[in-house]
Amino acid sequence: KQEVTQIPAALSVPEGENLVLNCSFTDSAIYNLQWFRQDPGKGLTSLLLIQSSQREQTSGRLNASLDKSSGRSTLYIAASQPGDSATYLCAAPGSSNTGKLIFGQGTTLQVKP
Amino acid sequence: ETGVTQSPTHLIKTRGQQVTLRCSSQSGHNTVSWYQQALGQGPQFIFQYYREEENGRGNFPPRFSGLQFPNYSSELNVNALELDDSALYLCASSPWPPNEQFFGPGTRLTVL
Repeated sequence: KQEVTQIPAALSVPEGENLVLNCSFTDSAIYNLQWFRQDPGKGLTSLLLIQSSQREQTSGRLNASLDKSSGRSTLYIAASQPGDSATYLCAAPGSSNTGKLIFGQGTTLQVKP
Repeated sequence: ETGVTQSPTHLIKTRGQQVTLRCSSQSGHNTVSWYQQALGQGPQFIFQYYREEENGRGNFPPRFSGLQFPNYSSELNVNALELDDSALYLCASSPWPPNEQFFGPGTRLTVL
């Protein structure tokens, strides 16, 4: 049974800092992993999707890595800005090819000006 | 290209009532999944619809039911509402087989 954990639960950093958000999963037989951003009371915005054959995926200041053997993914945010303040969620498939996503509880990031 | 839309945005009901939430999938997507997100938690999978059939279900009781229509839009119905049903209900769409999923803005349900 897939379980997803995110550490830390909350993070506060000054503007401009580079930071890493962590995601771990128990079942390494995943075919992808997805990172999302959620603003308070809003839906989820897809940030990055990493296929199982990839080790990294980049979009602007965001870089996500995937290490299936260790059951870990990281989301790296470069030069953080106050507009990056949000909750970041990672999600792994619960079983092959059904699309059921298992989410972590999220990391709530606050970037202070 | 229109993204995933959900209606209504907010809803207030009382215990024991029934509610219907609606989702329109992104253009070209034939698979819809529903999730429940309690405050401060990650979303929990309720069920998925593909070709108008339920295709996988999470750990939710039968009073949570759904439909998918020929245009791939979907409904989530919850009967006999309980206080713990208060949550943000999210709909996600994707092509089949599901790979990247795209979420709507959610419906905030409050049960009093």
